[in-house]
Amino acid sequence: SQQGEEDPQALSIQEGENATMNCSYKTSINNLQWYRQNSGRGLVHLILIRSNEREKHSGRLRVTLDTSKKSSSLLITASRAADTASYFCATVSLPSNTGKLIFGQGTTLQVKP
Amino acid sequence: ETGVTQTPRHLVMGMTNKKSLKCEQHLGHNAMYWYKQSAKKPLELMFVYNFKEQTENNSVPSRFSPECPNSSHLFLHLHTLQPEDSALYLCASSQRTGEGTGELFFGEGSRLTVL
Repeated sequence: SQQGEEDPQALSIQEGENATMNCSYKTSINNLQWYRQNSGRGLVHLILIRSNEREKHSGRLRVTLDTSKKSSSLLITASRAADTASYFCATVSLPSNTGKLIFGQGTTLQVKP
Repeated sequence: ETGVTQTPRHLVMGMTNKKSLKCEQHLGHNAMYWYKQSAKKPLELMFVYNFKEQTENNSVPSRFSPECPNSSHLFLHLHTLQPEDSALYLCASSQRTGEGTGELFFGEGSRLTVL
């Protein structure tokens, strides 16, 4: 079964606007990670937030984590056309000794210039 | 440049062919992964290797055969594949694996088409 599920599946905004993507998961986790993928390319790690953290920032990215609701959100502020990509959350279900990092279906973001 | 190199980038093969995908990481990591990404489906974890030992086989059909000769190299041997196996195959590495699995570094992928 899918561990992480993103919402919305697709998002289209104008350059300069903020983009918010949400991720829900089902089990206890050690950390939650967000990745970006440009079409047909490999994934690039954006940010990791640990289960004991509630918010984390990296440049124009802001990630929140609510372990009581088993959900996370990724906010991209002042979006640019170059932010157009698919964004995935990923988690390892606990307990685990194999590092089975499971990805959600992703949110496809289109930023119009 | 992510430090993870996959070859070939594109591969077309018939159902009776035998081919291999190669992955090499230059990051000194101990764990390596194979993922499959099909159109309109989420990334599927296939295999996990930690210090050359396979720690996860996610019910992958035997026509996919992984090999990890050392912590820097990972292969995926392919034989008698089906058209539905056409996908982007992504290799990744991480410093460690298990419950504290951190950031994965991905290669650019090998686009496989099975005719």
